Amino acid sequence: AQTVTQSQPEMSVQEAETVTLSCTYDTSENNYYLFWYKQPPSRQMILVIRQEAYKQQNATENRFSVNFQKAAKSFSLKISDSQLGDTAMYFCAFMSYNTDKLIFGTGTRLQVFP
Amino acid sequence: DAGVIQSPRHEVTEMGQEVTLRCKPISGHDYLFWYRQTMMRGLELLIYFNNNVPIDDSGMPEDRFSAKMPNASFSTLKIQPSEPRDSAVYFCASSLTSGRSRTDTQYFGPGTRLTVL
Repeated sequence: AQTVTQSQPEMSVQEAETVTLSCTYDTSENNYYLFWYKQPPSRQMILVIRQEAYKQQNATENRFSVNFQKAAKSFSLKISDSQLGDTAMYFCAFMSYNTDKLIFGTGTRLQVFP
Repeated sequence: DAGVIQSPRHEVTEMGQEVTLRCKPISGHDYLFWYRQTMMRGLELLIYFNNNVPIDDSGMPEDRFSAKMPNASFSTLKIQPSEPRDSAVYFCASSLTSGRSRTDTQYFGPGTRLTVL
């Protein structure tokens, strides 16, 4: 069975600094997606970034980028130039090409301090 | 384009009452998912539909919960009778069939915060 592990329950960072959130996963599949979702205090689940496993190039979305290491089954999220609005819970998620279901990690609570 | 729409945003009800949560997926999306989020259990998938047909309801906690999707643009999640332990945030999400995989990115609605007194 696939699993997603986020080993950092809480992280904090100062505004304008860079922070990296960790995620590892376990699967025997070769074709899959990986996602990071953000859940701010408003509770909305917002897609931050998406990576397809067949793509070697790491996905980037403005200040957000990932370090995807397929062999190590690692998918970390880097937030550059952190902003107060980045304060949220961040969930890593996995989905195989062969299934319809997302598997979520337990989340990392990120606090950005002024 | 409008995202996934859920109503109501907040619902407070008394134990034993019927509760109906509503969802409108993104236009053109053919998958619809219902999740529940609590502090204790995190995000749980309750049920999902493909082309309005329920595919997997194994996450539905018990017979008090039911879900329908009468057409491609509307789904309901009903709890009857409601209990205090049903208090949670309920999310609806939708996605599109992909050419490479069965489906792709799920987009979430804003959620309904349900409180059962």
